[in-house]
Amino acid sequence: KAGVTQTPRYLIKTRGQQVTLSCSPISGHRSVSWYQQTPGQGLQFLFEYFSETQRNKGNFPGRFSGRQFSNSRSEMNVSTLELGDSALYLCASSRTSGGSTDTQYFGPGTRLTVL
Amino acid sequence: DQQVKQNSPSLSVQEGRISILNCDYTNSMFDYFLWYKKYPAEGPTFLISISSIKDKNEDGRFTVFLNKSAKHLSLHIVPSQPGDSAVYFCAASRGYQGAQKLVFGQGTRLTINP
Repeated sequence: KAGVTQTPRYLIKTRGQQVTLSCSPISGHRSVSWYQQTPGQGLQFLFEYFSETQRNKGNFPGRFSGRQFSNSRSEMNVSTLELGDSALYLCASSRTSGGSTDTQYFGPGTRLTVL
Repeated sequence: DQQVKQNSPSLSVQEGRISILNCDYTNSMFDYFLWYKKYPAEGPTFLISISSIKDKNEDGRFTVFLNKSAKHLSLHIVPSQPGDSAVYFCAASRGYQGAQKLVFGQGTRLTINP
């Protein structure tokens, strides 16, 4: 079974631009979560989508947004990019959005560099 | 406020010996704990998990122990192999509504020496 895929793998943008990252979950998984990894803050939860609805949200500004499509694929968008947005953005999928024993499986990430 | 802490940024172990990675948490509402392994420029790979109703879970060379009273969990790898060299993250989640919101520790870099 194919794993979580993320596109693009690498991205370079300049301050003020916006960016859209894409994530395709494991087949049959309906929940998609996004995380940001930076050297200073570690891995931090951004938000989670299930059945096209945002179910959980982390402590990030409104410049960070996302959506989920009917086929469970998800996109996240960052507007008005700042230098501090440079990070590895990870997507994780799981079967459901309930039951705390539902394991999340991660994609390889998108490395975003903001110049 | 760091709710999940891995106090050892690095650990070096000889091949064949036991590796013990530790993790502490502060939020008593956490009820599911996971360990992930991560190589540079890759996403975390799930290793093993444990529910708060258990105190031990084994999967091959990997065993996770949970001490709820101490709010402490540990990952034991026996025997350690060179391919185990990576950064290990401990993560926790709470309850039904927040189940997909994993809170991660800062990671421990494990190096297995031949």
